[in-house]
Amino acid sequence: QQQVKQSPQSLIVQKGGIPIINCAYENTAFDYFPWYQQFPGKGPALLIAIRPDVSEKKEGRFTISFNKSAKQFSLHIMDSQPGDSATYFCAASIREVPDTGKLIFGQGTTLQVKP
Amino acid sequence: GAVVSQHPSWVICKSGTSVKIECRSLDFQATTMFWYRQFPKQSLMLMATSNEGSKATYEQGVEKDKFLINHASLTLSTLTVTSAHPEDSSFYICSARDLLAGEQFFGPGTRLTVL
Repeated sequence: QQQVKQSPQSLIVQKGGIPIINCAYENTAFDYFPWYQQFPGKGPALLIAIRPDVSEKKEGRFTISFNKSAKQFSLHIMDSQPGDSATYFCAASIREVPDTGKLIFGQGTTLQVKP
Repeated sequence: GAVVSQHPSWVICKSGTSVKIECRSLDFQATTMFWYRQFPKQSLMLMATSNEGSKATYEQGVEKDKFLINHASLTLSTLTVTSAHPEDSSFYICSARDLLAGEQFFGPGTRLTVL
């Protein structure tokens, strides 16, 4: 199954809260899981990425938690700010031959952080 | 680092004309570039994978004669929408995969409006 299922579709939190966005996949051949942030009218920007050999990765206020056995991964945004209001996409890719790095994207989550 | 540019950022054209969109990796080499289409409030839809010096690989349902892709060098790929029609109006985004790091970086997108 070449799908990545993302939830929730939308999320509203107060400033300082910790929004959590979840993604699930079926294909155990996926070996790279990035998260992208997209503002309206702009291209997606790479936030953070993880590979299956680690269970957690932190970069600044962004943390990815990865559960290989459950085939799930999630993005946590610590101390969220109104400037974090954007659409977030999870993605996954398979190391194929040839290895193009083709990404399969989730459906996206629109996050609103209220002041 | 890891900057991808697109030109133009927006274009309005008449039905029946062709439009060329350029995608450049400014500070890294990319053997593989990708072209996506995105409708409002939706996820990214992969149109094709472009490899330097070879023919692009199109996703199912994407007309290769309508969306011409050329990957002339390790830093430049172009998408030409031929005989554009109003239904081709969309947000087109390219991405480039860093040859060394393996990560995929996105351009700012091109808004195409066909009248």
